[in-house]
Amino acid sequence: EVQLVESGGGLVKPGGSLRLSCEASGFTPSNFFMSWVRQAPGKGLDWVSSISASRNFTYYAESVKGRFTISRDNSKNSLYLQMHSLRAEDTAVYFCARSYGFNTFYYAMDVWGQGTTVTVSS
Amino acid sequence: DIQMSQSPSSLSASVGDRVTITCRASVPIDNYLNWFQQKPGRTPKLLIYGASNLQNGVPSRFNGSGSGTDFTLTITSLQPEDVATYYCQQSHSVPIFSFGPGTRLHIK
Repeated sequence: EVQLVESGGGLVKPGGSLRLSCEASGFTPSNFFMSWVRQAPGKGLDWVSSISASRNFTYYAESVKGRFTISRDNSKNSLYLQMHSLRAEDTAVYFCARSYGFNTFYYAMDVWGQGTTVTVSS
Repeated sequence: DIQMSQSPSSLSASVGDRVTITCRASVPIDNYLNWFQQKPGRTPKLLIYGASNLQNGVPSRFNGSGSGTDFTLTITSLQPEDVATYYCQQSHSVPIFSFGPGTRLHIK
């Protein structure tokens, strides 16, 4: 079964750091764009970051650029999001998602994890 | 950055109704537009990719159309299990994605 399982969320003080993990099973994540998407309480979906399939190019939303780092460990079939200088507005459920290239050029997030909750509060 | 908007923000309809949700991109995005459904307390689910292509397993009452800047998600006959928030997402600038703000669909 194709599956993504996130972990690493928790309560952290403003200015603190946290590292999220996402473990894939049923497919090889290194063959896909992988992304992090977050959802603040009661709010909509917000793309955070993506990493490319082959050369590990990384991309970030302006709101997290310079504070968050996306990476992957192919030997562990895992994706990570290192978060520094956390702010109250980073409070959200963080999902990892696979981007599949339908017909090789229509990319869409077709597999999602269940999410991990990050709360930034003093 | 490509901005996405949706209308309405909230919608109430009866079972069996035809429901239409609109999504607009700030610049032309050809047909690089996806639709997601998120039921309360659940993970988002891909419904439609490439503006009009139904993802495997999605009921045929869901239809997507549009190109350029204006797109539509139509549910031809609303069912109780369709209660959810629906999001559009542009994939024109992949791997940089952006979502619309969502449309919350209720049953009357």
